[in-house]
Amino acid sequence: AQRVTQPEKLLSVFKGAPVELKCNYSYSGSPELFWYVQYSRQRLQLLLRHISRESIKGFTADLNKGETSFHLKKPFAQEEDSAMYYCALRREYGNKLVFGAGTILRVKS
Amino acid sequence: GAGVSQSPRYKVAKRGQDVALRCDPISGHVSLFWYQQALGQGPEFLTYFQNEAQLDKSGLPSDRFFAERPEGSVSTLKIQRTQQEDSAVYLCASSLVITPTANYGYTFGSGTRLTVV
Repeated sequence: AQRVTQPEKLLSVFKGAPVELKCNYSYSGSPELFWYVQYSRQRLQLLLRHISRESIKGFTADLNKGETSFHLKKPFAQEEDSAMYYCALRREYGNKLVFGAGTILRVKS
Repeated sequence: GAGVSQSPRYKVAKRGQDVALRCDPISGHVSLFWYQQALGQGPEFLTYFQNEAQLDKSGLPSDRFFAERPEGSVSTLKIQRTQQEDSAVYLCASSLVITPTANYGYTFGSGTRLTVV
């Protein structure tokens, strides 16, 4: 079975500091990995996916198959980045998502 | 519509009561998913529809949970004889395609928060 682990419930950083939200997964095949974000009082929305290899709002994430990780990084945190972040996995040829428990990112001024 | 609409936004049910939660996906979206999100947890898959066909119901926790999408658009998740452990946010998501891609992903609704007292 697939599993996604986000070890930190809460990550608190100061504005301008680097951010790394950790995500590890277990799946023996070739997964597709995603980061979803939920801002206060808003619905869950896609932030980025590993296949796109893009940077969204300054965030990047690299899939490391050796370490089975997909950590989310941003060099300089901004207050508007404060939100709940979920890492999610989809099996190859599948369509349902398996989510981690989420990490609250709090950016302090 | 412009997005995935779920109703009601909040529902309080007495233990043992039956509830029905509605999801209005984006018009024309083929795939529809239901997820359950308990407090402090990530969403967990319940069931999946491709048009009106329920192709995967492996995540439904018990036979008290039932979902339907009779005309391939609106879906209803029904929970019979609700229990306290059913308290959660129920999320609906839809996608234009069968296997979401970079250009056609999932759109989530705002969810229904169910509290069983």
